[in-house]
Amino acid sequence: EIVLTQSPGTLSLSPGERATLSCRASQNVGSSYLAWYQQKPGQAPRLLIYGASSRATGIPDRFSGSGSGTDFTLTISRLEPEDFAVYFCQLYGSSPRVTFGGGTKVEIK
Amino acid sequence: EVQLVESGGGLVQPGGSLSLSCAASGFTFSYYPMHWVRQAPGKGLEYVSAISGDGGATFYANSVQGRFTISRDNSKNTLYLRMGSLRPEDTAIYYCARDDDANYGLFEYWGQGALVTVSS
Repeated sequence: EIVLTQSPGTLSLSPGERATLSCRASQNVGSSYLAWYQQKPGQAPRLLIYGASSRATGIPDRFSGSGSGTDFTLTISRLEPEDFAVYFCQLYGSSPRVTFGGGTKVEIK
Repeated sequence: EVQLVESGGGLVQPGGSLSLSCAASGFTFSYYPMHWVRQAPGKGLEYVSAISGDGGATFYANSVQGRFTISRDNSKNTLYLRMGSLRPEDTAIYYCARDDDANYGLFEYWGQGALVTVSS
């Protein structure tokens, strides 16, 4: 079973700053099947990034993903007020493979 | 417009049973595998179960194997999750989710969630 570890647990930043979130896999997962989701309080998660670096439909270009192998990064270039939320990484591709990281909360400093 | 609407959540005693439904609309339901994902209060996301488009194949997380049953009725565009032998640790918001058009397990669409509380 592959484990995804996200860091940091909480990121305290100000609007306009750059956010860098990490997701580390316990074994090599390539690059094709890693996704990122955003979740705001009281809402379902929203798909942001798939295939490690492709933005989902309607996602602003301030969100970008990178990485392969075991280390992946979600970058928000300039934080907007609506970006303060919890972010999860996820593996997909087959049912046994689907797993989520523990999440990173991006909070207003 | 794709819509997923869960129902059936509520309070149940430990050891009890509960069934959730997810009514789908806006797409050809039988074409897509469907999934259940849960989130305990203040915690992360946990993948619970999945079912193929024709209902012939299912998957369960180890934590619910033998206690939960996923099913679907393609004539009613509805996904189900029958939960039995419920434990306090099953307390969570349960989301149904649909894949995008090309990637299994990539959840482009989510319902609003149904809260299940297991407590005496």
